[in-house]
Amino acid sequence: SAVISQKPSRDICQRGTSLTIQCQVDSQVTMMFWYRQQPGQSLTLIATANQGSEATYESGFVIDKFPISRPNLTFSTLTVSNMSPEDSSIYLCVVAGGWLGTDTQYFGPGTRLTVL
Amino acid sequence: GENVEQHPSTLSVQEGDSAVIKCTYSDSASNYFPWYKQELGKRPQLIIDIRSNVGEKKDQRIAVTLNKTAKHFSLHITETQPEDSAVYFCAASLNYGGSQGNLIFGKGTKLSVKP
Repeated sequence: SAVISQKPSRDICQRGTSLTIQCQVDSQVTMMFWYRQQPGQSLTLIATANQGSEATYESGFVIDKFPISRPNLTFSTLTVSNMSPEDSSIYLCVVAGGWLGTDTQYFGPGTRLTVL
Repeated sequence: GENVEQHPSTLSVQEGDSAVIKCTYSDSASNYFPWYKQELGKRPQLIIDIRSNVGEKKDQRIAVTLNKTAKHFSLHITETQPEDSAVYFCAASLNYGGSQGNLIFGKGTKLSVKP
């Protein structure tokens, strides 16, 4: 499996501010995804981070609110913009492909965000 | 798009008993079905997966079955232990040509194993 790190691991932010979350993998991967897990809930896909092009967003998520970058095969960032308390959640980077094989998707440790 | 339903939402069993969690999916094109275990405060961890060309897969006390016709798949845990207590998520995706589709998750099952 891959070693996936996320920064920060947690943060408490004020309403109206923005936070950028970083995801770093120790090997090249084909796919990188960003998921959100609200307290006590399941996992919801925000977007697929595409290397060198704009991310692909799921219904209900937009680029202005969740801009994503993926400059190479081992790194991606997710920004949560103009935050409100409803954005309080765990944000998870998920990776797949490359060294990891064709199917299995691995979760990063997550970033726990609290918006006051 | 794909929709995954998972039942039950909570499950309590005695240590040593078996536990079964069931999921149904809507998109007949989905071909990859993983199960994740999430302990409190931790990331989801893959415990077993199955592809659409296989009907059953077993790994020690854990097994998964897939019925493509009925579009449902199940997780079976035998001889449950207290450390099996966690939230379990099923998921479905369409993987093709070496590319991984995004996972659509069920809502999760909170399993409690009582000693």
